[in-house]
Amino acid sequence: DIQMTQSPSTLSAFVADRVTITCRASQSISSWLAWYQQKPGKAPKVLIYKASSLQSGVPSRFSGSGSGTEFTLTISSLQPDDFATYYCQQYQSHPYTFGQGTKLEIK
Amino acid sequence: QVQLQESGPGLVRPSETLSLTCSVSAGSFSTYHWSWIRQPPGKGLEWIGDVYHTGNTNYNPSLKSRVTISVDTSKNQFSLRLTSVTAADTAVYFCARESNRLGGSIFDIWGQGTMVTVSS
Repeated sequence: DIQMTQSPSTLSAFVADRVTITCRASQSISSWLAWYQQKPGKAPKVLIYKASSLQSGVPSRFSGSGSGTEFTLTISSLQPDDFATYYCQQYQSHPYTFGQGTKLEIK
Repeated sequence: QVQLQESGPGLVRPSETLSLTCSVSAGSFSTYHWSWIRQPPGKGLEWIGDVYHTGNTNYNPSLKSRVTISVDTSKNQFSLRLTSVTAADTAVYFCARESNRLGGSIFDIWGQGTMVTVSS
């Protein structure tokens, strides 16, 4: 299985801050990486696919980059609605695997 | 607008079988793969497996010996069976659609999730 490791596990930030979350794969996954946002009691919502493509309807303050084994999700200017948990997920091969999550908290 | 809805018992006894169904409303059922994903309380996401309308399946090796995912195209439904459950199988179970984006499939539509507790 491909292991996905996110850092940090928890991130505290202010509204309007720029934040970056990192995801590392245990082997190359090319660009087959997605990012999801999950709020308490809700299903995850896809934000980014193929490492850097923005899902329809997602605000442009979200962006993704990377390829191979290292990827980042950046939120350019945090809004109150962005405080949530974020997961990366590889879909290079079965079994699909997720990172352990990064909880983004209000400072 | 495609919607997914999980249904099934919220409580399962240890050693018994967990059975859930996901109903898909609207859209083309036969064009996609359909997945089950679970999330233990306070923890991360685990992909369980998926099924295509033909019945072809892929399973997570960590669960493969206990999992069966099946499809009923006449009802636009797919189902999960997990045998010999233990407390470690207590989780919110999500069904999700895999949608092709630039050559790879992402989970673009999810059900709301259903909590299943394994307890005597």
